[in-house]
Amino acid sequence: NAGVMQNPRHLVRRRGQEARLRCSPMKGHSHVYWYRQLPEEGLKFMVYLQKENIIDESGMPKERFSAEFPKEGPSILRIQQVVRGDSAAYFCASSPPAGVALFFGEGSRLTVL
Amino acid sequence: GQQVMQIPQYQHVQEGEDFTTYCNSSTTLSNIQWYKQRPGGHPVFLIQLVKSGEVKKQKRLTFQFGEAKKNSSLHITATQTTDVGTYFCVNTGGFKTIFGAGTRLFVKA
Repeated sequence: NAGVMQNPRHLVRRRGQEARLRCSPMKGHSHVYWYRQLPEEGLKFMVYLQKENIIDESGMPKERFSAEFPKEGPSILRIQQVVRGDSAAYFCASSPPAGVALFFGEGSRLTVL
Repeated sequence: GQQVMQIPQYQHVQEGEDFTTYCNSSTTLSNIQWYKQRPGGHPVFLIQLVKSGEVKKQKRLTFQFGEAKKNSSLHITATQTTDVGTYFCVNTGGFKTIFGAGTRLFVKA
């Protein structure tokens, strides 16, 4: 049973470009979470999604950031017009409907030049 | 979910010494989870505590949930270099799963 798959693992963008990060949850998991982690810091909650629904996006900046979890395919975190402050590791986690633990992917590390 | 406060922020120990990290909340927690993140890695679920006063052990790791369900601790006996990493306590109340700032453990061989 494959774990949570995130890609790309590393992404370099110039200021003003778009970044798209993808997350395929574990098989049977319908809940997806996105977190951002700056170096030497904790994980900041961004958004919680279920299939085709955004449940809680209170941790996600209102501008430039969006997330989706379509009926088919991976969850996508999209950052438009990236700025240097967006440089961070973005972790996706999934859980089953009545799950206890969050299972994390290995993260996508975004560098904005 | 209410964010929990975790102390200490950093801890340096000599291999073989014990280590404890504490998690505190101003409000009653429905449950608490603990995760470990190795340097350069991703968080890995360790355990969940639900009951007041609950104590759980995993080999050299002992997890406790306070009687009032407002605090929790993780104790590692006789640390090893493989214990290096950041330990997070997590409040899973509500929709959000909120991570504390974590305690970063350094183990000197």
